Amino acid sequence: DVKVTQSSRYLVKRTGEKVFLECVQDMDHENMFWYRQDPGLGLRLIYFSYDVKMKEKGDIPEGYSVSREKKERFSLILESASTNQTSMYLCASSSRLAGGDTQYFGPGTRLTVL
Amino acid sequence: AQKVTQAQTEISVVEKEDVTLDCVYETRDTTYYLFWYKQPPSGELVFLIRRNSFDEQNEISGRYSWNFQKSTSSFNFTITASQVVDSAVYFCALSRRDNYGQNFVFGPGTRLSVLP
Repeated sequence: DVKVTQSSRYLVKRTGEKVFLECVQDMDHENMFWYRQDPGLGLRLIYFSYDVKMKEKGDIPEGYSVSREKKERFSLILESASTNQTSMYLCASSSRLAGGDTQYFGPGTRLTVL
Repeated sequence: AQKVTQAQTEISVVEKEDVTLDCVYETRDTTYYLFWYKQPPSGELVFLIRRNSFDEQNEISGRYSWNFQKSTSSFNFTITASQVVDSAVYFCALSRRDNYGQNFVFGPGTRLSVLP
């Protein structure tokens, strides 16, 4: 069974704080993704990584950075949190092997920036 | 450009009714994959089904069935004899292989409420 875990289900931070969201998967997947989900806007891709130390910008990377030092872990960093980054953050992973593609999601982190 | 449309924003049905969630997609790729995910109130997206562009066979899994029609670019999802536990937001998604493995486009989602 694929397992994707996220460090927190709920997080409250103050404007200007540096925020780390952690994601870990246990299926040896090459690809990992960070999305944010907002009412009326659906899921939007922030960043993805297809290998250790590799990262690619998604549709809305501004205000975010990522880190992938180990294959199983993908971190999303908000360098200076702002109120417009209040959102639900979803991490996903997938395999690049044949028959892959399917993204498996973590439980999400609901971040509130005050 | 790729796009996924789920025209139904919200649907309400009474328990035991059948319900169909529509999904229409746009792509110029000849090889692509279609998915359905369920997001219950807990928030986690749960994978339901994956279908590749060369396989137009309909699929049935218990009370769930999927109808893939390339001619109309649709991949509709039907729940038979709905139950309260089916209440969730359902997302249709489209992926294609690129240099890095895949690129997903999600539809806006359909919120299904099944009333007792």
